[in-house]
Formats: sequence, C-alpha cells, structure tokens
Amino acid sequence: GENVEQHPSTLSVQEGDSAVIKCTYSDSASNYFPWYKQELGKRPQLIIDIRSNVGEKKDQRIAVTLNKTAKHFSLHITETQPEDSAVYFCAADDQTGANNLFFGTGTRLTVIP
Amino acid sequence: EAGVAQSPRYKIIEKRQSVAFWCNPISGHATLYWYQQILGQGPKLLIQFQNNGVVDDSQLPKDRFSAERLKGVDSTLKIQPAKLEDSAVYLCASSQQGAGTEAFFGQGTRLTVV
Repeated sequence: GENVEQHPSTLSVQEGDSAVIKCTYSDSASNYFPWYKQELGKRPQLIIDIRSNVGEKKDQRIAVTLNKTAKHFSLHITETQPEDSAVYFCAADDQTGANNLFFGTGTRLTVIP
Repeated sequence: EAGVAQSPRYKIIEKRQSVAFWCNPISGHATLYWYQQILGQGPKLLIQFQNNGVVDDSQLPKDRFSAERLKGVDSTLKIQPAKLEDSAVYLCASSQQGAGTEAFFGQGTRLTVV
C-alpha cells in the first residue's frame, strides 16, 4: 500500500509569515493528493487538492505543488493568520488497491499573533 | 447540503465490552469509509464500502471489528471485545465517486476504553 510521510510535525510561524509543509509518497502511480485541515475537536476538512497531471494549484493564500519525479508535494500558506492554526494532513491515493486515501501523520501549525 | 452524521459523539467503555458506532453519509454518496484516528496521528483507513458492498477491508482487525452498510446508505462499525489500544476517534467519511474525489468527514466518535 501507499506510504505517506509528512514534515514537520510541528510548525510555529509569526502572523503574516509563510508556512510550508512537505509530504512524500511511495506509490509512483498515485494520482490524487488532497490536503485536509483539522481544527481541535473538529472534523478534517478539505482545503485544496491536486491531481497528477498538474504541477501547481493555487487558491487565494493556499497553494500546493507536486513533483511526480521526486514523489513529493507541498502545501504553502502565505500571509498566515491566527485562524490558520490547526493540524494539517496530506494524503495520497493508492492506485494498487481500492484507490483509498493514505494520510500523513499531520503537522500542527501555530500562527503567533 | 447536510453533512456526514455520526453518533454517538463520545463513548467510554471498559475493556472487553462491545461498542457500536453509526454513520449516515451525505445523500447520494456511493462510497463510505471508516477511519481510525489515534491521538496525534493521521486517519487510518479501516474499511471502504461502495454502495452496500465492501471494496477494501484489508486493514480492519476482523477478529474484533466488523462493519456493515445497510441498503447502501447508513453504516455501523462494531468492536467486540474492545481493547485499551482501540481508544481513538472513529471517523466516517463519504464521497460521490470514491477514488480521486473529495471525501467529506463526519465529526467522529471519540472512544475511550478503560
């Protein structure tokens, strides 16, 4: 099955600075790479996703880049705000099985006002 | 659009007892997932249903865990008997088409086994 590694596990940034979270995956056939945000005690919610035929995708302050050759993808948050504080999970689908999502271990982002 | 509904929100049981969780997916979503999220970790898939059939249960500890999806809509996940290491949040998610489409998560059931 797919193996997804995520770094760093914790990240603190000053409000207004940028934050970058990186993930690697093992299945070269993976096709779909979503990012979820989970606030304390709440459900994970999709914030952005990218498919293997695209190298970069942007939505306002959030962007995701994908390097298929190196099998890694990254989440970039610019002009961070206190409400960006949460745990962020990357995920990749498993093309060898039932196309399930395999999640990274999460990054706890803290934006310091 | 109504979200994925789960109940109960919290459950505390003693080890060796049994417990069941319920999930109602978003209307029209064919694919339903159950995930286990241990504190400080990412969600781990337990089972995937497509309509009322099991697509993947390779990571479900079948000696103690079971799940069903009645009539391709609601689903229940059962643990019998529970162990201390089963303490986690159990998340249900659904998606329209499965692979490559957004999975919508429920609030989860926080299980504590004492």
